Amino acid sequence: EVQLVQSGAELKQPGESLKISCKGSGYKFTSYWIGWVRQMPGKGLEWMGIIYLRDSRTLYNPSFQGQVTISADKSIATAFLQWSSLRASDSAIYYCATTRDGDFGWPGWGQGTLVTVSS
Amino acid sequence: QSALTQPRSVSGSLGQSVTISCTGTSRDVGGYNFVSWYQQHPGRAPTVVIYDVSERPSGVPDRFSGSKSGNTASLTISGLQPDDEADYYCCSYVGGFGTYVFGTGTSVTVL
Repeated sequence: EVQLVQSGAELKQPGESLKISCKGSGYKFTSYWIGWVRQMPGKGLEWMGIIYLRDSRTLYNPSFQGQVTISADKSIATAFLQWSSLRASDSAIYYCATTRDGDFGWPGWGQGTLVTVSS
Repeated sequence: QSALTQPRSVSGSLGQSVTISCTGTSRDVGGYNFVSWYQQHPGRAPTVVIYDVSERPSGVPDRFSGSKSGNTASLTISGLQPDDEADYYCCSYVGGFGTYVFGTGTSVTVL
């Protein structure tokens, strides 16, 4: 069974950097994609981008290109989402999700990481 | 890359059926049979209920069904149960970008 476990909640100040993680288990990690999804308070789901664990090929949704960095370390079956300078508007729950290469539904989801950016 | 359009809310009585529409363009919904639907209860992560337009993952009741016509996909929930009360999001692969887009989300209320 595919399982994703995300890092814990974060409280940061504007301008700080942050890197959150998503660790996969229960499957052959290198044959899977991991995607990141933002959910702002009281709002809907937004795709940020996806990364292929085998070769770290990354595709960003246009709204998030240049705003965040998605990366992965296949040796530890983990994907990352990174900000270099946080803004209050980055406050949200961030989910990771996974699917096999060649599939287009996303059956595996992490529990979510709450990021709060406040001075 | 705009969000797919869904009704803000739908409601139905216990045991009845509701249908949620999801309208996109020929670059997403209309161009590929890669539409999926997600259920999200408050405070919980989303879970997939339909993938590839009409396929149901194991463990999802056959009360959930999906279809597509042109640029519009639909999710039908038959025999509404109390636990079906949740937010539902459609999702489509987007050609050109190689990524995905969600719908605006629909709140389902079971009366």
